[in-house]
This record gives sequence, C-alpha cells and structure tokens, in this order.
Amino acid sequence: ETGVTQTPRHLVMGMTNKKSLKCEQHLGHNAMYWYKQSAKKPLELMFVYNFKEQTENNSVPSRFSPECPNSSHLFLHLHTLQPEDSALYLCASSPGTEGWTDTQYFGPGTRLTVL
Amino acid sequence: AQSVTQLDSQVPVFEEAPVELRCNYSSSVSVYLFWYVQYPNQGLQLLLKYLSGSTLVKGINGFEAEFNKSQTSFHLRKPSVHISDTAEYFCAVRRTGANNLFFGTGTRLTVIP
Repeated sequence: ETGVTQTPRHLVMGMTNKKSLKCEQHLGHNAMYWYKQSAKKPLELMFVYNFKEQTENNSVPSRFSPECPNSSHLFLHLHTLQPEDSALYLCASSPGTEGWTDTQYFGPGTRLTVL
Repeated sequence: AQSVTQLDSQVPVFEEAPVELRCNYSSSVSVYLFWYVQYPNQGLQLLLKYLSGSTLVKGINGFEAEFNKSQTSFHLRKPSVHISDTAEYFCAVRRTGANNLFFGTGTRLTVIP
C-alpha cells in the first residue's frame, strides 16, 4: 500500500452527469496532485496544491474543478465531460517541504469512462 | 523545455534474463530523475530516484539505474527478471527550480516463462 487512496476505483458516467473523485493521503504530506493518464500518452499533470493552495493549473478545461479542503484530502469535481476525458486519473502526494528533491507517491487511480 | 524519451514501448524478455529499459531526457539545466513502475490496475510506485551523489542508484525489487550526464540518459537495469516484474515502467524528470514531473510514455516489460 502506498498510503494514498482513491475512490471510486472505477466510474462510468454520462456526459450530463456530475460526479466527484476523491483522494486521501495518510503520509502527512503537504502537496497533492492530479494527473491524467491516457493510453499511449505521457502522464499529464492537471493540478497541484501546496498547503491547500492551488499552485498549478496546467490549462485544464473548466469542466474539471479541483478542491483541497485540507492537506490530506483532494477532490476532482467533474461535470459535462466528453468521451475523450475517459482515462485513468491518478492522485499523488509529496512532502512539499523538500524543495526540488520532493518525491511524489501515487494512489491506485480512478478509471473513468465517459459515455 | 524538457522532454523524456522512452524509445522502447514494449520489451519482451525471458525469465531470469537481464533487461535494460532505456530513458533519455533533454534539459538545459540540472535534473532529478525517477523511475516508477505500474502494475496492472494499480497506481505508480517509486522504484528509484537520482537526486545527487553516486551515479549508480539502487532501487527496490533488484532494479538499478545509472545516471549518465554526458549522454543524458538514465537507463534502468535488472540482472535477472522474474515473472512478477511484468508491468509498465515510467521514467520521469524534474528540473531544478520546478515543481513539475515530466513523464515518458512508458515501457511495457513482459517477462516470458
């Protein structure tokens, strides 16, 4: 176990639905990340939070809305998604205090299918 | 700008044979380098990392990697693979002064009995 959990593990939704992905880390870390993993493409960084503040938004469409209520929890709210948004969404956390040597630890991911 | 290239998308190898998974990066500044492994239906697990010091880095599960600055490479090696090593392997780079990790497209290692 990596200490980073994600729920649900699988999600199927229609284009008009609203759903949320949840990530929780039990490592005492201060930074959390959302990544998108699509087939045949490198992992794409979506959002970064440091000490609950968003520090990175990698030109992500507004149909993805992150929320970080505290350093242990991270959400990704989804609405009016497109079929091309189907992918594995990975959450990661890192200490956030080790500067450029900070190491990220990943959760198991949520497999999202948009119909 | 920087990028990570994993030239081999798939590497089949027989059990107990050695394996090398290649990773090259491009960056004009100093970098930190990582290898992650992803087993089926799981997230990414850190195998090893190079931050500074010795260029030969040892990781979990018997893997090691060597940082070669002149060739801008960070190839992953294991002298004898097991069936359980079948997985996808990702090389990642972070340059000094940046938060982002840049990942390669991954190499699928298949160990054949």
